[in-house]
Amino acid sequence: AQRVTQPEKLLSVFKGAPVELKCNYSYSGSPELFWYVQYSRQRLQLLLRHISRESIKGFTADLNKGETSFHLKKPFAQEEDSAMYYCALSGSARQLTFGSGTQLTVLP
Amino acid sequence: NAGVTQTPKFRVLKTGQSMTLLCAQDMNHEYMYWYRQDPGMGLRLIHYSVGEGTTAKGEVPDGYNVSRLKKQNFLLGLESAAPSQTSVYFCASRGNRVQSSYNSPLHFGNGTRLTVT
Repeated sequence: AQRVTQPEKLLSVFKGAPVELKCNYSYSGSPELFWYVQYSRQRLQLLLRHISRESIKGFTADLNKGETSFHLKKPFAQEEDSAMYYCALSGSARQLTFGSGTQLTVLP
Repeated sequence: NAGVTQTPKFRVLKTGQSMTLLCAQDMNHEYMYWYRQDPGMGLRLIHYSVGEGTTAKGEVPDGYNVSRLKKQNFLLGLESAAPSQTSVYFCASRGNRVQSSYNSPLHFGNGTRLTVT
């Protein structure tokens, strides 16, 4: 079975501070991992994915297979980063499993 | 190119009523999914389809049925609505003959907010 855990339901940081959203997964094979974001009143959209190794809007995420983690990081948070963030795992071509989400609030 | 379109956007049902949520995508995607989003529980997979004419159960399938008669459409049915089915429902799709379905991202609809009283 595949499982994704996001331990923080709510996270608040001040503008300009570093932010880290935690994601841990459980899967026996080699997963593909994603971060999705949902801004207020907008649809869910892809933020970044492990396979691309890219930085989007200043966010990065590194897959740590030893710790089975895929934490999302940004060195300097901006107010427009306030949103709901979901970590997701694709363990097969069929199912994508989501974590319970972390609501990030960036305070001015 | 509209992407993924869900109808309706809002609906209020009484317990025991039935309804169908429609999802349409114009990206020639093979895989389609129905999720429900509840506070504190994230997104949970209800049913999914790996191609026209096929459907499969996800994590929380009870009380729902689906059909994929055409590749571009994925219908979610509630035969006898219950208050526990009050939620926001999201349809998503991914993967075509060019992209690998394994690591291609999901494209989401705008969601349907359903209230069952």
